[in-house]
Amino acid sequence: SAVISQKPSRDICQRGTSLTIQCQVDSQVTMMFWYRQQPGQSLTLIATANQGSEATYESGFVIDKFPISRPNLTFSTLTVSNMSPEDSSIYLCSAGTSGRGPYEQYFGPGTRLTVT
Amino acid sequence: AQSVTQPDIHITVSEGASLELRCNYSYGATPYLFWYVQSPGQGLQLLLKYFSGDTLVQGIKGFEAEFKRSQSSFNLRKPSVHWSDAAEYFCAVGTASKLTFGTGTRLQVTL
Repeated sequence: SAVISQKPSRDICQRGTSLTIQCQVDSQVTMMFWYRQQPGQSLTLIATANQGSEATYESGFVIDKFPISRPNLTFSTLTVSNMSPEDSSIYLCSAGTSGRGPYEQYFGPGTRLTVT
Repeated sequence: AQSVTQPDIHITVSEGASLELRCNYSYGATPYLFWYVQSPGQGLQLLLKYFSGDTLVQGIKGFEAEFKRSQSSFNLRKPSVHWSDAAEYFCAVGTASKLTFGTGTRLQVTL
């Protein structure tokens, strides 16, 4: 399995500002993903972070709002841009390890974001 | 499109009692199925997974799950619940590049 860390663990931000969340994996992984978990809700996939190319976004999420970088096989960032209170959520990074079948995904501890 | 249904939003069991959390999925081909647990303020931890083969899979912390194709189900079970099992449990169905999660079941354990 992979061990994943995220920074910051939590933050309180003002409306209209941006926050960049970092995700570090302790080993090289094939795939990295970013999820959002709104209060009391399940996880929704924002995008797949692709190493060396643009991220692949899910329906309802756009690059201008959630720019993602993945400069190498162990690190990715997610920026939440021009924040509004509706962006208050937990943002989770996950890493996928290839194997028999689909990628098993291992999750970081999450970043709890509050927008005021 | 794949989807997952967890019919029980909240379950309360007594410590030492058995537990079964329900999960039903919709997927066009052979599903890859997962159960994750999320403790308060924590990320998600993988409990167990089913890819193929034996339909009864064992996981960590004494959990097991049974895949029933005829019922499109992947229910999670534990014979004797501990107070530390109180958490949110998510069932997920996955393809090579995407996991779809159910809405979760919150487990409360009474002493």
